[in-house]
Amino acid sequence: AQSVAQPEDQVNVAEGNPLTVKCTYSVSGNPYLFWYVQYPNRGLQFLLKYITGDNLVKGSYGFEAEFNKSQTSFHLKKPSALVSDSALYFCAVRDINAGNNRKLIWGLGTSLAVNP
Amino acid sequence: DARVTQTPRHKVTEMGQEVTMRCQPILGHNTVFWYRQTMMQGLELLAYFRNRAPLDDSGMPKDRFSAEMPDATLATLKIQPSEPRDSAVYFCASGFERTQEYNEQFFGPGTRLTVL
Repeated sequence: AQSVAQPEDQVNVAEGNPLTVKCTYSVSGNPYLFWYVQYPNRGLQFLLKYITGDNLVKGSYGFEAEFNKSQTSFHLKKPSALVSDSALYFCAVRDINAGNNRKLIWGLGTSLAVNP
Repeated sequence: DARVTQTPRHKVTEMGQEVTMRCQPILGHNTVFWYRQTMMQGLELLAYFRNRAPLDDSGMPKDRFSAEMPDATLATLKIQPSEPRDSAVYFCASGFERTQEYNEQFFGPGTRLTVL
């Protein structure tokens, strides 16, 4: 069965330190992977995606993610965290069984807290 | 600044009442998604439309939920009758699909529903 796992419910990091939010997936075929961020009382916002090509993907707000096929991971990273990065982060993968539909399988989210 | 709009932002109702949530997708987008977000289940896809046609509503409880797109500028999600377990935040998202492209979804601010 296809799935996405975000193994950490919460990540705490000090401002200025690098941050990593983890995501692993299980799909057959080539994965299409996404990261979204949700600020308090807001809808989700797209950060970045991996479809094909370079394994290191750069996205909005200084975030990047590295696709690692052998480890089936797509971890989100940022070199220097800001307090304003505190939010809920979601990893998602295309549902390959959805055919031509753009249905995504979502992780449960990781709450990132950046401490001043 | 194009964005997805949702009304109402908050709704408190009593069990058994009908609830209608509305969404205006971004002009020019051809896909609409309805999601439900709860602490326990995370983000669940309820319905998915492309060019106003329903493509996937497998995640939607058919006995009480219905989703429609009467025109390209309006999507509705109805619950009749509502139950306390329907209490959640309901998000609408829109996107633009082209063959061989896998583009991001743009989320509205959500409707926070409380059923007493």
